[in-house]
Amino acid sequence: SYELTQPPSVSVSPGQTASITCSGDKLGDKYASWYQQKPGRSPVLVIYQDTKRPSGIPERFSGSNSGNTATLTISGTQAMDEADYYCQAWDRTYYVFGTGTQVTVL
Amino acid sequence: EVQLVQSGAEVKKSGESLKISCEGSGYSFATYWIAWVRQMPGRGLEWMGIVYPGDSHTIYRPSFQGHVTISADKSISTAYLQWGTLKASDTAMYYCARLSSGSLADTEYFLHWGQGTLVTVSS
Repeated sequence: SYELTQPPSVSVSPGQTASITCSGDKLGDKYASWYQQKPGRSPVLVIYQDTKRPSGIPERFSGSNSGNTATLTISGTQAMDEADYYCQAWDRTYYVFGTGTQVTVL
Repeated sequence: EVQLVQSGAEVKKSGESLKISCEGSGYSFATYWIAWVRQMPGRGLEWMGIVYPGDSHTIYRPSFQGHVTISADKSISTAYLQWGTLKASDTAMYYCARLSSGSLADTEYFLHWGQGTLVTVSS
């Protein structure tokens, strides 16, 4: 079955840039989406179709996808961005989530 | 406004059966796929399966096939996730999520999510 692998944790200082990777076989040939989940809350879509932001998502969130890796970048990270982040892709008939990355804003 | 409202928390014992629900509103319920996603305590998101309410076509992730049943009743705009025999390992938060369009495709994503239903199963 298709697997998406993320680093377990990423630490970033306020105002700096956080990059979260998502690795999967030929992921660049698929579309990647990204979700933010804060404790006790439902996931929120922050990036879809590799690079697009839903309405209401700040411009500091951006995405890219090439080769075997999709990347979520948070520019000018704020304390409110501290959360778990999950990538997601579609493989044939199934939707797959990544293993998840905990982002800590120090 | 699109909304997915899930049924309340459940506490069950191993061996019991359970059916939880997800009611959609603010859109044409029959024409959008609804997925179920499991999140075990302290763990990540797992896609369990998906149903198209228009014709009840259902697809399961292999690891969940045979243990749960996903269904939908378009007449009352509600999707369901049910267990015939619960196990302690079914203890988790379960989310329903609506696919962005009526097609299963690479381009789709989950914009709308329910608030989650916590299922606790004691052994």
